[in-house]
Amino acid sequence: NAGVTQTPKFQVLKTGQSMTLQCAQDMNHEYMSWYRQDPGMGLRLIHYSVGAGITDQGEVPNGYNVSRSTTEDFPLRLLSAAPSQTSVYFCASSYQRGSYEQYFGPGTRLTVT
Amino acid sequence: LAKTTQPISMDSYEGQEVNITCSHNNIATNDYITWYQQFPSQGPRFIIQGYKTKVTNEVASLFIPADRKSSTLSLPRVSLSDTAVYYCLVGAPGSASKIIFGSGTRLSIRP
Repeated sequence: NAGVTQTPKFQVLKTGQSMTLQCAQDMNHEYMSWYRQDPGMGLRLIHYSVGAGITDQGEVPNGYNVSRSTTEDFPLRLLSAAPSQTSVYFCASSYQRGSYEQYFGPGTRLTVT
Repeated sequence: LAKTTQPISMDSYEGQEVNITCSHNNIATNDYITWYQQFPSQGPRFIIQGYKTKVTNEVASLFIPADRKSSTLSLPRVSLSDTAVYYCLVGAPGSASKIIFGSGTRLSIRP
């Protein structure tokens, strides 16, 4: 199994541009989530999904959209990038909702200029 | 969700045992304690989970006293490669949708 994969690894955007961060898992996990991690800080939950077609907001959802059309994929969309969204983004999945045993992807390092 | 408090940072030396304590005074009856490890430039990795007394695996041990208001992650004979951030999470598996991480403890191991 590849586990949780994320693309791209690095991305530079200009303010106002939009893009989609990709996340996929091949473990048939029900639960998927997106976190952001700013330098020297912990992780903050952006959005999460408890199954295909079901998403909800985390701690810091503004400026981001998600959808979950399949069990495997959970893309994160930045609608109009801002410098405040410069961060490392991690996708995670777990077997079921509320499981504290999450599997994380390698992260996407995003810089918005 | 139970609030957790951990030291911001700790230093130790290779070969020592390191104990990182997490305080969670308002832990609920159904809550478990879970620890993650995050190496630089990587995503966090689940390392251990427990409910009470002691849990041990190949990576670490977790000690939880009877009142469960705190827990201690113990790393035996650390090496330079144990330099990482360690996160303590408290919550009830299966009930919470939002898995919230705190700031963690930055552990630095010196030669």
